[in-house]
Amino acid sequence: NAGVMQNPRHLVRRRGQEARLRCSPMKGHSHVYWYRQLPEEGLKFMVYLQKENIIDESGMPKERFSAEFPKEGPSILRIQQVVRGDSAAYFCASSPIGRTAGSNQPQHFGDGTRLSIL
Amino acid sequence: KNEVEQSPQNLTAQEGEFITINCSYSVGISALHWLQQHPGGGIVSLFMLSSGKKKHGRLIATINIQEKHSSLHITASHPRDSAVYICAVNEGSQGNLIFGKGTKLSVKP
Repeated sequence: NAGVMQNPRHLVRRRGQEARLRCSPMKGHSHVYWYRQLPEEGLKFMVYLQKENIIDESGMPKERFSAEFPKEGPSILRIQQVVRGDSAAYFCASSPIGRTAGSNQPQHFGDGTRLSIL
Repeated sequence: KNEVEQSPQNLTAQEGEFITINCSYSVGISALHWLQQHPGGGIVSLFMLSSGKKKHGRLIATINIQEKHSSLHITASHPRDSAVYICAVNEGSQGNLIFGKGTKLSVKP
């Protein structure tokens, strides 16, 4: 039973390029969370998605960042026109059900994508 | 002030020592999580708890809801326990997590 799969593990982009980060949740999980860990800082919430729906994007920068979780395929975090400050580790986590079920569930994390901007 | 505070920030211990990492939070929560992040960067969920105490092997997690405080204990510590331990909470009805800055633990042989 594969865990949460993120790819690529490492991604290098030049300023102004686009970065696409992928996350395949655990089998049977329909809830995906994206978190960002800036160098020497703690993890910060970015966005929470269910299949075809963005539930909470309150942690996502208003410009250049977008996320989707289509009916088929992985969740994608997309960063347009990257800048040096986007360099960070981006983690995806999944859970089988969310708060709507009335109880929290453990979140299973991927190994992260380390994004470096030249 | 951060909503989730951990102490200590760094901790060095000798193999075999009993270790305690503390977490305090300032918001109403529905659950608290302890996570482990190894030098390679991957994150593993150790515990999720909303009351009382949980034990898994040499790891014990406790939470006091009234005092808004949780502790993670490691008994008979080993160098392979060296990692960053992160406390995180679900605030209210939110599904997303709010994280502490982590405690970097180094266990020397």
